[in-house]
Parts: sequence; C-alpha cells; structure tokens
Amino acid sequence: AQSVTQLGSHVSVSEGALVLLRCNYSSSVPPYLFWYVQYPNQGLQLLLKYTSAATLVKGINGFEAEFKKSETSFHLTKPSAHMSDAAEYFCAVTLNSGNTPLVFGKGTRLSVIA
Amino acid sequence: NAGVTQTPKFRILKIGQSMTLQCTQDMNHNYMYWYRQDPGMGLKLIYYSVGAGITDKGEVPNGYNVSRSTTEDFPLRLELAAPSQTSVYFCASSYSTSWGSEAFFGQGTRLTVV
Repeated sequence: AQSVTQLGSHVSVSEGALVLLRCNYSSSVPPYLFWYVQYPNQGLQLLLKYTSAATLVKGINGFEAEFKKSETSFHLTKPSAHMSDAAEYFCAVTLNSGNTPLVFGKGTRLSVIA
Repeated sequence: NAGVTQTPKFRILKIGQSMTLQCTQDMNHNYMYWYRQDPGMGLKLIYYSVGAGITDKGEVPNGYNVSRSTTEDFPLRLELAAPSQTSVYFCASSYSTSWGSEAFFGQGTRLTVV
C-alpha cells in the first residue's frame, strides 16, 4: 500500500528565509503526489501536484516541489517565506492505476517569524 | 461556485446520540470521500464512493455508515456517538482518483462528543 512520511511536525522559519518541507513516499507503482495547504479553520486546498510529467512542479503562491524517484522524495520549497505562508501543509499520494483514494501524511505546521 | 458544502459546521453530541453529517457537491464528480482529522495525525479516510450506489470502507470505518443515492450527496452517519469520534470531519470530491485528479474539500464539521 502507498504511504507518505512528512519529516518534522513543526517547522519555523524567519520571514524571507527558505521554506523546505520534507515528504518521502512509499509506493509499489508510480505514484501521483500532491501538496495541500490548510489555513486555520478552513478546508484543504491544492498547492501543486506531480502526475509523471515534469519532475519539477510549480504551484500557487510561489511554492514548488521536485519529484526524485531515486530518493522517493517530493519536498516542498519556497525561496522566500511570507507571513501569509503560516499554515499546515499536507503531502498526499495516490496511485496511477485503480480506484485508490488519497493517502495523507500527518502534516507539517509552518510558522513564519517576523 | 459552491464546490463542496458541509453542514453543520459545528456540533456537540452526547454519548450515544446519533447524527448525520451532510455533504453535497455541485461539480458532478463521481468520487466522494469522508476524512477525519485529529491533531498531529493528518487525515484518515473513513469511507469513499466511486459513484452513486457504490461505497467502500477506508482506513477507519468503525462507528460510521454512509450512503450514496445521488451523485451530489454523500452523508456520513454516526449511530452511537462515542468520545473517540470527537474530531474534525472533511468531505471531499474528485472527478477521478486516476490521472492525478485534484480533490476538492469542504470547510469541515467540528464534532465534539461529551
């Protein structure tokens, strides 16, 4: 079965610093990978997704992620953190075959310090 | 665009009571899901449906029931509420689970069982 592991339940960065949120996946077949963001008291919204096209994926709000098969990773980055980036971020995986719903990681809470 | 609508937003139940969490979507999506979110645990899949009349168990189905009589609606039923069911519940829908189809989430229902 597929799964994702997010390293670090809480990451704190200074405003303007690099954001790096880590996600490693486990899958027996080629996966589709997603990053979702959840702002306080809201539902989840899609940041970006990897669907086996380009390995470097650009999303909304300046975020991007790179699929690295050799490392089974899909880390999320943003060059310069903004206060509005403070939220919880979830990595998720599904398979490119069959009816397999999204499986989520446990989430990483990002704090941005002024 | 309404997207995925969940009602109610908040509810307090007494142990042993029952209730139905409502979810409706207006995007004509075949796939619908119920997740629960607990602090530090990410989202866990309760039930999902790949179309009207078809439902299947997710990772944590015990204590819940679902039905899917129409494409639009996917209610979640709690028959005998227990404190362990205190959580935030999210309904989601997608066009497919294949091809990296994005899941759209509702705003969530915060349920407390006392």
